[in-house]
Amino acid sequence: EPEVTQTPSHQVTQMGQEVILRCVPISNHLYFYWYRQILGQKVEFLVSFYNNEISEKSEIFDDQFSVERPDGSNFTLKIRSTKLEDSAMYFCASRVRLAGVGSTDTQYFGPGTRLTVL
Amino acid sequence: KQEVTQIPAALSVPEGENLVLNCSFTDSAIYNLQWFRQDPGKGLTSLLLIQSSQREQTSGRLNASLDKSSGRSTLYIAASQPGDSATYLCAVRQTGANNLFFGTGTRLTVIP
Repeated sequence: EPEVTQTPSHQVTQMGQEVILRCVPISNHLYFYWYRQILGQKVEFLVSFYNNEISEKSEIFDDQFSVERPDGSNFTLKIRSTKLEDSAMYFCASRVRLAGVGSTDTQYFGPGTRLTVL
Repeated sequence: KQEVTQIPAALSVPEGENLVLNCSFTDSAIYNLQWFRQDPGKGLTSLLLIQSSQREQTSGRLNASLDKSSGRSTLYIAASQPGDSATYLCAVRQTGANNLFFGTGTRLTVIP
């Protein structure tokens, strides 16, 4: 069964450094998402991406964050200058929407990248 | 803003018991509701999705119900097994929005 994959599984970085988290969504999916989960807290929405542009973003997704789909398969999240509070598990998700087929609204999540900022 | 709450936060049951997990949401203008399973340190596995027009969905030993007007969903797990031990999350998608609002989860332990 197709899966969303994410690399790396764990990233350790120094405060102020740039990080890029990578995701390969399921191949025929059209909508892509990033969420994060700070340890012990809820999963929170960051951004959604459709048709090569951001379709929605939360207040968390400020100018330090950016997303890109550099080719037909990868979807990346860049954090320009990491802060201690960016330490979290970052999840990529994707979904497909076929006209007239409601059950395909399911969002499929990757295994996550654990980001640790020191 | 949509708030999603899950009660209880943790639940322990002996193997073989049937159990119900609860999810409530404050804004009933939802498009769908999704139940996930999360194992420690792992990603989210989708279990069931209920569209706003549906009342329930079933998959194997799992049955999810939705009462949109009262802002509630339940996940029923029949004949629980130790392998069901995990955190169960519910998430709602608002009408007109793309993203999911998650609850804090219920950590389930099934004791052999």
